[in-house]
Amino acid sequence: EADIYQTPRYLVIGTGKKITLECSQTMGHDKMYWYQQDPGMELHLIHYSYGVNSTEKGDLSSESTVSRIRTEHFPLTLESARPSHTSQYLCASSGGRGGAYFGPGTRLTVL
Amino acid sequence: SQQGEEDPQALSIQEGENATMNCSYKTSINNLQWYRQNSGRGLVHLILIRSNEREKHSGRLRVTLDTSKKSSSLLITASRAADTASYFCATDAIGDYKLSFGAGTTVTVRA
Repeated sequence: EADIYQTPRYLVIGTGKKITLECSQTMGHDKMYWYQQDPGMELHLIHYSYGVNSTEKGDLSSESTVSRIRTEHFPLTLESARPSHTSQYLCASSGGRGGAYFGPGTRLTVL
Repeated sequence: SQQGEEDPQALSIQEGENATMNCSYKTSINNLQWYRQNSGRGLVHLILIRSNEREKHSGRLRVTLDTSKKSSSLLITASRAADTASYFCATDAIGDYKLSFGAGTTVTVRA
């Protein structure tokens, strides 16, 4: 069982709030990813990182930011949440030449 | 737009039958990966096939890769009710650190 954690698992907040979704992995993986997924739909890459102090925007335009100060930690921040941000957010990591490990996801609802 | 596209979007089969789904992609890749997602959960890595491989097996799974056609297929043999899930292909593109997913195929195995 891979060790990648996301907190919180569920979050309901009001419009305009600043939130940070946490993601941590204990496998020492260099690459980490954030995806947004609506129920039953495709995954959209919103941010990724290939090491400490390296972050890139993904394919989906997003009003979020990320940081990678430590290898194991890749938090996602929304400065001002809006109802359009309501979705599930999935964090993943990969190392070497293998597949990615996914966390359980954070289900965000913005009222 | 997403790198990978799966076909069909949905598939319903009887227990014991085989399920085949296809994935097409656009750019040159290091490898192609297949994942399973049970309803509302995180994704689980199933199998990875490198660009210099043509076929790979893992248990009841068989994956093929045709880089000239930029396509891959996933075959699940002797399906079980527990195989009911969404299946996604993901591409690790050359010269990039992205891991991009397709829209997925929803497989329903009827008892």
